[in-house]
Formats: sequence, structure tokens, C-alpha cells
Amino acid sequence: DIVMTQSPDSLAVSLGERATINCKSSQSVFYSSNNKNYLAWFQQKPGQPPKLLIYWASTRNSGVPDRFSGSGSGTDFTLTISSLQAEDVAVYYCQQYHTTPPTFGQGTKVEIK
Amino acid sequence: EVQLVESGGGLVKPGGSLRLSCAASGFTFSSYSMNWVRQAPGKGLEWVSSISRGSSGSRYIYYADSVKGRFTISRDNAKNSLSLQMNSLRVEDTAMYYCVRESGEQLVDYWGQGTLVIVSS
Repeated sequence: DIVMTQSPDSLAVSLGERATINCKSSQSVFYSSNNKNYLAWFQQKPGQPPKLLIYWASTRNSGVPDRFSGSGSGTDFTLTISSLQAEDVAVYYCQQYHTTPPTFGQGTKVEIK
Repeated sequence: EVQLVESGGGLVKPGGSLRLSCAASGFTFSSYSMNWVRQAPGKGLEWVSSISRGSSGSRYIYYADSVKGRFTISRDNAKNSLSLQMNSLRVEDTAMYYCVRESGEQLVDYWGQGTLVIVSS
């Protein structure tokens, strides 16, 4: 199975400041045949199911604010919240869907400093 | 609007069985692969099983190693319904179980609100 490792486990950021979450996969999730990275980011707020934010490593899902951006390729990926808002407090998960079983990172909890 | 509504969760003793259901609406159910993903209390997300679209004789079904041989996924396209039969339940199966739509190439997009399964004596 592909192991997904996120860092940090938690971070506290001031309102309006940048939050950066890293995700590393134990093997590449890039397919050269279609030039795509099979990496998604989800946001989960307390008491709610996860919500898809980013797919193909950098494509924002419909309705997701543009302060959320994804980058990276191969085995190293980053989710950036450019200007943290109060409503962004949540746990964020990366997930690879390159290989069955699809696997998730352990999650990163984002809080307000 | 895509809606996925799970039901069937509850309290069950170790070794017992439970059948989860997911009612889908707002999209052409038969055209999408579907998944179950679970989350133990206070823990992360774990993929459980997936079933492809297509006719019953040609569907692809996958299971996590942790549930293989104990859980069975199925779907009824006529009823827009997904099911998960869970047998020989263990304490470690305690979790919120989510019904999740797959938009394609294993990418999951819509999640239900979940149904809670507690395995305890």
C-alpha cells in the first residue's frame, strides 16, 4: 500500500496569515501516460463529512475559494491556504487515488493562533 | 443536488452482523462507482470497499485487507442503493461509515453524512 505522511500534525496560524501543509507519498502517484498526479486534498470540519477541495494535486473543486491551492508532483505535495479565515479551522487530509487501496494521510489540524 | 444518505448503523456485539445502506439521489447512480470509507472516533480516514458501475456480471469489487472475507459490498441500480453487509464484526470496526461517490479514476467527490457503527460487548 502507498503510505501518505502529512506534516505537521497540527498548526496554529493567525487570521489572514498563510498556512502550509505538506504531504509525502511512499511512492510516486504520477502517471506519465496522462501527465497527472493522483493526489487529492479534503477538508473535514467537526461533525461533518470530508469535503473535496483539490484534485489532480492542483485543481480546485467547484466552489472552493481561491485562497486554497495545491502544488507538487511525484511524491511531494503541498496544500496552501494563502490567508487563513475563521471558517478554515478544520482537519485536512491528503489522499492518493493512484493505486488500490486508495490511502489517506493521518490528517493535519489547522487552528487559529 | 447529489445526496447520499446512510442508514443501518448501531450497537452490535463482537462477532455480530450489521447491514448498512446508502440511498443515492440527484445523479445517475448506475453511472458511478461507489465506495465505503470509515473513520474511527477521533481518528483518520480509512477506505473500506469499492464497487464499480456496470452490470452485475462485470463489476469490479475491492476490499481493504482489514475487512476482506467479512464485509460484502453490493449495489442495486434499480433502487439507487448501495449496501455493505458486515459480518464477524470486531471492536476495531467501530467507526462512522461514509457512503462516497467516485467521480472517476478512483477520485471520490461526494460524501454522505455517515452512519455510526459501534461494536462493543
